[in-house]
Amino acid sequence: ETGVTQTPRHLVMGMTNKKSLKCEQHLGHNAMYWYKQSAKKPLELMFVYSLEERVENNSVPSRFSPECPNSSHLFLHLHTLQPEDSALYLCASSQRGLAGGYTDTQYFGPGTRLTVL
Amino acid sequence: AQKVTQAQTEISVVEKEDVTLDCVYETRDTTYYLFWYKQPPSGELVFLIRRNSFDEQNEISGRYSWNFQKSTSSFNFTITASQVVDSAVYFCALSEAKDSGGSNYKLTFGKGTLLTVNP
Repeated sequence: ETGVTQTPRHLVMGMTNKKSLKCEQHLGHNAMYWYKQSAKKPLELMFVYSLEERVENNSVPSRFSPECPNSSHLFLHLHTLQPEDSALYLCASSQRGLAGGYTDTQYFGPGTRLTVL
Repeated sequence: AQKVTQAQTEISVVEKEDVTLDCVYETRDTTYYLFWYKQPPSGELVFLIRRNSFDEQNEISGRYSWNFQKSTSSFNFTITASQVVDSAVYFCALSEAKDSGGSNYKLTFGKGTLLTVNP
């Protein structure tokens, strides 16, 4: 595998289900991101992990729960979602720069297309 | 606050035509980075280019070229001799660099331009 991979690519779930999205990066990066892309809206940054520590939680509802067990893997645990949560969920990774500053190129995975019924 | 405007929502061209995608940005910082990404129907955002605010040289990569003009806060993207495989949504994005010790990982994306290249 190369780049950033995401599984599953498509997911349909009911509002009472619990599911998880998985992201894996094969680029040796130390920062990972979750984005939400809804129809006709700009990409929304949800969470950022840097060196396995969460550094950003962009006012995301608690029904979304991220987990970063190591620098290569990122999960998004989903429970009791709403139909408006249906979207494309994109994972990205980047390499954090020196002295904590990082404005580096983010590389994206193919996304998980989520439909909540 | 940062803002990226891609005024063209949709563009349709015929194969082999040249097409320019516009991007206008707003930032109060003097140091920032600009990006273009391509999102084909498969969904993956493919990185195309990154440019920092101190480098105003235009860049050409094959059929792709980018025109960065700080005076007009624009970073336009031109595809020469377009092909059907160029059909995708193209996003322009802006990231502001922080001082040493700070960090900025936030990309502000435009709403994207859907390019359709017809045979």
